[in-house]
Amino acid sequence: EVQLLESGGGLVQPGESLRLSCAASGFTFSSGNMHWVRQPPGKGLEWVSFIKNNAATTYYADSVKGRFTISRDNSKSTLYLQMNSLRAEDTAVYYCAKASSTSWGHMDVWGKGTTLTVSS
Amino acid sequence: IVMTQSPATLSVSPGERASLSCRASQSVSSKLAWYQQKPGQAPSLLIYDASTRATGVPARFSGSGSGAEFTLTISSLQSEDFAIYYCQQFSTWPLTFGGGTKVEIK
Repeated sequence: EVQLLESGGGLVQPGESLRLSCAASGFTFSSGNMHWVRQPPGKGLEWVSFIKNNAATTYYADSVKGRFTISRDNSKSTLYLQMNSLRAEDTAVYYCAKASSTSWGHMDVWGKGTTLTVSS
Repeated sequence: IVMTQSPATLSVSPGERASLSCRASQSVSSKLAWYQQKPGQAPSLLIYDASTRATGVPARFSGSGSGAEFTLTISSLQSEDFAIYYCQQFSTWPLTFGGGTKVEIK
């Protein structure tokens, strides 16, 4: 069974940094393209970032470009999201999601999410 | 690309048909996915490529449309179908989601 388990969320102050992790199992992680998607409290989904299986290609939402960095360690089957200069509007549940094998652009497996709160 | 879903809330009785709309601000061809999200849970993929059901999705869910106009139809609502539904385009980066349609019990 394909599983994704996010961790690393918490409460931080504006301007601080945090790194989220997503441990993958049940599939060949090194072959899988991956996404981060977030959901602010009571609101809809917002795509955050994408990384290709070999990390050669990455994309970011404009709202996080220059502040967030997506990366992966295929030897550990783990996806990361380094978040710097955090703002109150980054407060959300962060999901990691596996891209479909048929397309980079939609997500066929999602983790349960980890919660980030940015507040002073 | 801005994705607009309507209505924001749809009140439907069990057994009835529900039609959810998703409009893109420009053509996304057939690069459109639908997700279902139940309270306290992560989203799950229902439909991709506008009309292809994901693995394990019941046949009562169907997607249609292309270009900029899409519809998700639930032919006969079951109790487990009351949830929020999101469309998402994957034609152009950055990927974008619609604001969601909440399907509630009438």
